[in-house]
Amino acid sequence: GAVVSQHPSWVICKSGTSVKIECRSLDFQATTMFWYRQFPKQSLMLMATSNEGSKATYEQGVEKDKFLINHASLTLSTLTVTSAHPEDSSFYICSARGSAGGYNEQFFGPGTRLTVL
Amino acid sequence: RKEVEQDPGPFNVPEGATVAFNCTYSNSASQSFFWYRQDCRKEPKLLMSVYSSGNEDGRFTAQLNRASQYISLLIRDSKLSDSATYLCVVNGPARQLTFGSGTQLTVLP
Repeated sequence: GAVVSQHPSWVICKSGTSVKIECRSLDFQATTMFWYRQFPKQSLMLMATSNEGSKATYEQGVEKDKFLINHASLTLSTLTVTSAHPEDSSFYICSARGSAGGYNEQFFGPGTRLTVL
Repeated sequence: RKEVEQDPGPFNVPEGATVAFNCTYSNSASQSFFWYRQDCRKEPKLLMSVYSSGNEDGRFTAQLNRASQYISLLIRDSKLSDSATYLCVVNGPARQLTFGSGTQLTVLP
């Protein structure tokens, strides 16, 4: 099946720093990528949807200036958490949809665990 | 009201037991339905799609009732390896996945 990778798998940073998370589709073209956030014992919450070459569409309540998303190619999307604070500590998961699988099928990356001290 | 609601559990069952999970969704325009499995600190993985006619994959049976906006998952002959969180997932008209909060299952030896 299609593979999506994320890097880094975990990161610990100081409050106020920015963290960039990469999401790559390894063997297919991802025309759409999704970024989710999951707090402990809660469900995945969609943060934003990005189509290659377009600006991301953010869900209500998600600050676009704090969570910068770039989807510049068909295999790479990045999420940058700017000026991270402890409340941003969470499990960030990307997924990709495109030339692999069914029409609506999304393939998930392994996630990035962010801890902000 | 949440878009996708599940009983959070936890469900603790002995090996070999049959266990059923239920889920309801609020958007009648939802188009496709899935059960995902998520292990601790891992990404969710597709377990199976759910169709109105019902579908079975080995020990797993999924059912969809569009009129009631209700989805179910039945696991027969539970194995220790079935221990995980099971997520009910709905795909809406905008082709975005909406996840339930998950039902935690622990299969005990």
